[in-house]
This record gives sequence, structure tokens and C-alpha cells, in this order.
Amino acid sequence: VQLVESGGGLVQPGKSLKLSCSASGFTFSSYDMHWIRQAPGKGLDWVAYISSSSGTVYADAVKGRFTISRDNTKSTLYLQLNSLKSEDTAIYYCARSVTTDYWGQGVMVTVSS
Amino acid sequence: DVVLTQTPPTLSATIGQSVSISCRSSQSLLDSDGDTYLNWLLQRPGHSPQLLIYSVSNLESGVPNRFSGSGSETDFTLQISGVGAEDLGVYYCMQATHAPLTFGSGTKLEIK
Repeated sequence: VQLVESGGGLVQPGKSLKLSCSASGFTFSSYDMHWIRQAPGKGLDWVAYISSSSGTVYADAVKGRFTISRDNTKSTLYLQLNSLKSEDTAIYYCARSVTTDYWGQGVMVTVSS
Repeated sequence: DVVLTQTPPTLSATIGQSVSISCRSSQSLLDSDGDTYLNWLLQRPGHSPQLLIYSVSNLESGVPNRFSGSGSETDFTLQISGVGAEDLGVYYCMQATHAPLTFGSGTKLEIK
């Protein structure tokens, strides 16, 4: 099982970014997935969830700004980040299944002018 | 949201010492399906978190059996029986019974 995030970087407040999580080593379409973030020096903070049937749930802090999606044909999970704020600065991890049994290495998103 | 309170926030141990970490939930984590979705994760310095124990007491594949978990409803414990040098890092409890998924604030294990 491997999860590899990409798409992070430095972005100005109010701008957008799209993160990807490429999955391999398992049947991606069969698994629920999460995005979880970690601000510098802080703990873990759940962001969004997508079920295997593409039902979605969001943390209040990102609702209306972030969108989680998946492309089962590409075994890829996405997170569209819009209207970014400085408090969104964090490492973003994708994680497999309801119990987060596998995590990616993470991708850094820095929101700063 | 479910609040998970972890104690202690930091722990200092010698190699071979046994230690335990507590995680208390603001509400019962017993799900209607009979399972209790309380997991323990370890984040080693500079790495992403890894699952150690799921559903209170089930050891994830590949995790040494010096790790064990116990508890029920709102009170849970992670025990390490004989700390090894590779066990340093931050331990998190996590619940997946109630949406949204929530994490404890972490316990940093240092090796003396």
C-alpha cells in the first residue's frame, strides 16, 4: 500500500490550490479516504472524508471552501482548496479507510503573502 | 464533537521501562455495531503518523507486541512493555465512532 501526496506549495491568501493523493497497492475504489492536516508544531486535525461511494463530510473550518473528490479510474484522491487563509498552513496527509490504517508522507501548504 | 483528553502530555522513559498513556473521551465510543473505534497512532520525528492499534486492542500488522491497548466506553490506555529507542515520538489516540473523526492532543515520548 502506498499513498503519495502532491500539489502543495506557497500560495497567497484568498488563492486556490489542488492537492492530489495517488494510491497504489490496493483496490482504491473499495476504500473510504480522509484528508487530515497538521499545522507546524501542532497536532492532527481532520479536514474531510469521502466514502467509497463518494459521499463527503467536511470539518466546519473548511466547509464551503474545500472540496474532496476522487477518481477511481486513476486511483487518485483530490482536495481542492479555495479561499485559502493563513490558518490553513499545514502539512496535508491523505489516509486510507475509516480507521486511517495507511497514511501518505504528507504535502506542505503554506498560505502567506 | 468528541473531545479526547490524553495524559500525560510528555513522558520520559529509559530503555526497557514500561509506560502507559491515557485517553479519555467526552462520550462513549461504543458504536451501535458493537465495535469501539478507538485507535492509537505513533508519529516519529519527521514522519507521518502510523497506526499501531485499532479498535481499542487490536495490534496492526507489523507492530511489535510490546504495544498493547485496553479500555472501554470512555477510558482507554496504551501500554508499552519495555520501551525501545525506536519508540520515541508523539502518540495520538483517535476516534472514528462519531463524526467527525477526532484526535487527542498527543503524548510526546522521550528517551532518557
